[in-house]
Amino acid sequence: DAKTTQPNSMESNEEEPVHLPCNHSTISGTDYIHWYRQLPSQGPEYVIHGLTSNVNNRMASLAIAEDRKSSTLILHRATLRDAAVYYCIGNSGNTPLVFGKGTRLSVIA
Amino acid sequence: GAGVSQTPSNKVTEKGKYVELRCDPISGHTALYWYRQSLGQGPEFLIYFQGTGAADDSGLPNDRFFAVRPEGSVSTLKIQRTERGDSAVYLCASSLTASGNTDTQYFGPGTRLTVL
Repeated sequence: DAKTTQPNSMESNEEEPVHLPCNHSTISGTDYIHWYRQLPSQGPEYVIHGLTSNVNNRMASLAIAEDRKSSTLILHRATLRDAAVYYCIGNSGNTPLVFGKGTRLSVIA
Repeated sequence: GAGVSQTPSNKVTEKGKYVELRCDPISGHTALYWYRQSLGQGPEFLIYFQGTGAADDSGLPNDRFFAVRPEGSVSTLKIQRTERGDSAVYLCASSLTASGNTDTQYFGPGTRLTVL
């Protein structure tokens, strides 16, 4: 599985876009990039995943670099409820998720 | 529909005691995962089941930890002779299959274990 590197923390103003970066320079061609987030006192929840193309869903967008060595999770309008720890995970088939320490996102009203 | 549930939500025990933590996965999910999370860290993999069998138990820290899933649904994580270092939040997750590339894992709220 690809080792990922993320900033320890980031801060955003409410209703502004947030770009959460992730480096995964050792990713293999079959590793998907998954993003999960963990709100305070809750288990992690799935956000989005992708392989090569950019992906959009109702929660966020995922922009994957052409060389796949990095990706960015985009929250289009941060709300107070988006304050959480965001985990970027490189994962191949039939293996468990390997979580790092993630990025703690603070959202300021 | 119902998500992953875990019981108890909190467990306080004394050093040396035996504990059991229960996980009820989402109905129909064949894969079930156990993780443990210490304060300030990301979840750490312990074991996962595909159906009734343990497909990968490489994350279990030692032989005091054991998990079962006898009917391919509910799972129990068992810890013998608990130590203070076992204190953590124990998380359970399930997914439709164990195809890690694309399958979403759904996590329960966790059981906070405190060993005094």
